[in-house]
Amino acid sequence: SYELTQPPSVSVSPGQTARITCSGDALPKQYAYWYQQKPGQAPVLVIYKDTERPSGIPGRFSGSTSGTTVTLTISGVQAEDEADYYCQSSDSSGTYPEVIFGGGTKLTVL
Amino acid sequence: QVQLVQSGAEVKKPGASVKVSCKASGYSFTSYGISWVRQAPGQGLEWMGWISPYNGNTNYAQKLQGRVTMTTDTSTTTAYMELRSLRSDDTAVYYCAASDTVMAAMDYWGQGSLVTVSS
Repeated sequence: SYELTQPPSVSVSPGQTARITCSGDALPKQYAYWYQQKPGQAPVLVIYKDTERPSGIPGRFSGSTSGTTVTLTISGVQAEDEADYYCQSSDSSGTYPEVIFGGGTKLTVL
Repeated sequence: QVQLVQSGAEVKKPGASVKVSCKASGYSFTSYGISWVRQAPGQGLEWMGWISPYNGNTNYAQKLQGRVTMTTDTSTTTAYMELRSLRSDDTAVYYCAASDTVMAAMDYWGQGSLVTVSS
């Protein structure tokens, strides 16, 4: 079955740039989305359609894509950005489309 | 503003069923689909399925086919997710989320409903 692969953890110091990757064979054909989830809270959409940022999301969050990998970049990381991040895409190879989530990446701000 | 308010925590025995509700407000209920996502303790997100309140069309995760049913009530702008034949590994926080289509972004999320399956 189709999978999206994320690194389990990423650590950066405040003010540095964090990059979280998500790899999957179908990513060149399907959009990717990124969610931030803080402990005890529901996920929040931070990037949609690979590179678009919803209103209300700080400009330090950006998305990019290259081949089978999409990347969430957080520039000038702040302590409040410490959270789990999940990528989402879809598998349309079967009879019906299915939504797939990556395993999640824990971002630690040192 | 868009709000999705879910029902409270439930404790169920193995083999029982659970029905979680998701009350939508702040937008036209039939203009957005509702996705259901669950998260087991300490684990990642798992997509369960999607329903269109406009026409009732559904898309279920293959893994849950036959055990899950999603419905909506447009008169009360409420979506429901029923899961049957509960097992201990169904213990999770269940979220509803508003998404335009089955594969689109989940723009707005409910607060989550904890379902515990224990004998």
